[in-house]
Amino acid sequence: GESVGLHLPTLSVQEGDNSIINCAYSNSASDYFIWYKQESGKGPQFIIDIRSNMDKRQGQRVTVLLNKTVKHLSLQIAATQPGDSAVYFCAEREGGADGLTFGKGTHLIIQP
Amino acid sequence: DSGVTQTPKHLITATGQRVTLRCSPRSGDLSVYWYQQSLDQGLQFLIQYYNGEERAKGNILERFSAQQFPDLHSELNLSSLELGDSALYFCASSVGGTTGDEQFFGPGTRLTVL
Repeated sequence: GESVGLHLPTLSVQEGDNSIINCAYSNSASDYFIWYKQESGKGPQFIIDIRSNMDKRQGQRVTVLLNKTVKHLSLQIAATQPGDSAVYFCAEREGGADGLTFGKGTHLIIQP
Repeated sequence: DSGVTQTPKHLITATGQRVTLRCSPRSGDLSVYWYQQSLDQGLQFLIQYYNGEERAKGNILERFSAQQFPDLHSELNLSSLELGDSALYFCASSVGGTTGDEQFFGPGTRLTVL
């Protein structure tokens, strides 16, 4: 597959365990945050988003937590499956701007 | 499959050359975004078009330009190519062009400059 980046932080978890992927953002004016999943050879795929007026949002097996005080975002994946293996990116968007600013990414590896 | 298509999938060219990357957004989406993904810079927003008009600019070099046509497909033109332009180029589309509109990404074009 195609490499999306060298020296990415790696998180290795056992299949069935919960995963927590963290992201620090720097722009205090950002008001919209998204988590993307990128599998080898594919484009980023939307997982879940959250606006700055919320601190938690849940989806199917995923939860995003936002702590604006310390500018921290996390993605929790419950009961990880082999198909969850991918690089995960957080992205932020500043109100009024339309492009996304992506973080460096975390490589999630699921151990059998 | 996101519904966003990009051509070509791979492109190999030489320094100093010019190439055009093409993107067709999802049916009904008016907004197109271009991103560059390189090993050292990660995913970077280049430019956005909404219904044929430029909407936002990111870290796009002057050697690069884009346009969106009346049928809403978009092209990214890269000229005077340098080795450092080698990267994956992604197109994304969304219904509108505002915060909160989910962006759907295409499979990308891998550009290799030799």
